[in-house]
Amino acid sequence: TAGITQAPTSQILAAGRSMTLRCTQDMRHNAMYWYRQDLGLGLRLIHYSNTAGTTGKGEVPDGYSVSRANTDDFPLTLASAVPSQTSVYFCASSDSRGREQFFGPGTRLTVL
Amino acid sequence: QKEVEQDPGPLSVPEGAIVSLNCTYSNSAFQYFMWYRQYSRKGPELLMYTYSSGNKEDGRFTAQVDKSSKYISLFIRDSQPSDSATYLCAMSGSGGYQKVTFGIGTKLQVIP
Repeated sequence: TAGITQAPTSQILAAGRSMTLRCTQDMRHNAMYWYRQDLGLGLRLIHYSNTAGTTGKGEVPDGYSVSRANTDDFPLTLASAVPSQTSVYFCASSDSRGREQFFGPGTRLTVL
Repeated sequence: QKEVEQDPGPLSVPEGAIVSLNCTYSNSAFQYFMWYRQYSRKGPELLMYTYSSGNKEDGRFTAQVDKSSKYISLFIRDSQPSDSATYLCAMSGSGGYQKVTFGIGTKLQVIP
């Protein structure tokens, strides 16, 4: 079982460029999440989606956008990247209760 | 003050030792308590999941919750080098969809 896949694995991006991080799950979970993980700050929620067609803002949403056109896919877009968005990004999914979350392998993004 | 406090370590122990990892929290609404394990350059994976106060045991791992003290622990018996990872505590409230709040993680190294 694949669980959650993320692409790309890593990326170096010039400041000001846009980028979409891809996330796909095969567990038919209703809820999906995007986190960033930074040293000393832990996991911080960027955006979430409780079900296809709906999205919500997390703790650090500025500079990021998401869409949820179907159950399986939850892409994260950086419209104009800045160096402070250098981080490791994790996609996760869960059932409707949200507590047991399953994480993808992460995308390491460096913005120069 | 953060809702969830966790010492980042690192914590180094000899193989075979009993390891105690801890978190404190301030939100009395938290009812569900989780421990995730994250190996280097990997996504977090759910290790233990408990509801309310009490103990839960799974092999060499025991999760303990003391709601009166707002304190949770994860004990690892007969620690192995393969237990070397970062351990994140996580918590959420009850009823419907609830946001999960993560600790920053404690890095554990088990030395052979």
